[in-house]
Amino acid sequence: ETGVTQTPRHLVMGMTNKKSLKCEQHLGHNAMYWYKQSAKKPLELMFVYNFKEQTENNSVPSRFSPECPNSSHLFLHLHTLQPEDSALYLCASSQGDSEKLFFGSGTQLSVL
Amino acid sequence: AQKITQTQPGMFVQEKEAVTLDCTYDTSDQSYGLFWYKQPSSGEMIFLIYQGSYDEQNATEGRYSLNFQKARKSANLVISASQLGDSAMYFCAMREGPYTGTASKLTFGTGTRLQVTL
Repeated sequence: ETGVTQTPRHLVMGMTNKKSLKCEQHLGHNAMYWYKQSAKKPLELMFVYNFKEQTENNSVPSRFSPECPNSSHLFLHLHTLQPEDSALYLCASSQGDSEKLFFGSGTQLSVL
Repeated sequence: AQKITQTQPGMFVQEKEAVTLDCTYDTSDQSYGLFWYKQPSSGEMIFLIYQGSYDEQNATEGRYSLNFQKARKSANLVISASQLGDSAMYFCAMREGPYTGTASKLTFGTGTRLQVTL
């Protein structure tokens, strides 16, 4: 199943820019997640939303601001990022009766 | 301390051979879950297999099996009859504590890059 779509696939931004990452899932799932994948580091869970309510914020800096307007859409708003924020940002979704995560292909972010 | 340790940054295997990818974990919980995900070059993480801490039998899904050794806290992935399409990054992950039926919070390892050769 490839029911999680992320846009854009690639993003280059300056430290003073404001941009947003978008994630949409077509699977009817109730939970959505943002993960950060940096080179040679484990995936880091950033945020979890369950039925549009944020249930987890894993000590993420405030320059990352998530938004979940409904169970199908998840955004990650970015502002005044640092070069160390360059990474692959992965969105995932799951249904409550299953622990299986379905991931999108990610947004490769480069902060200059 | 790392919760999930994958000590093999890279592995090579010949087509049609079997390969074992190592994973050890650290938790004091009695109830937990162990997962393996595959990440091809396209970036999308794909679920492969799951093992619950109370499951007595090793999990199997087609050519994938999980060699679960609870006392040693290891959860190695075995891929039988490797195919060229198996070339990818493989990640071991763990959920600590019982699943609450809402969202799945996983801790991942650093991954192993598997290259299948002719």
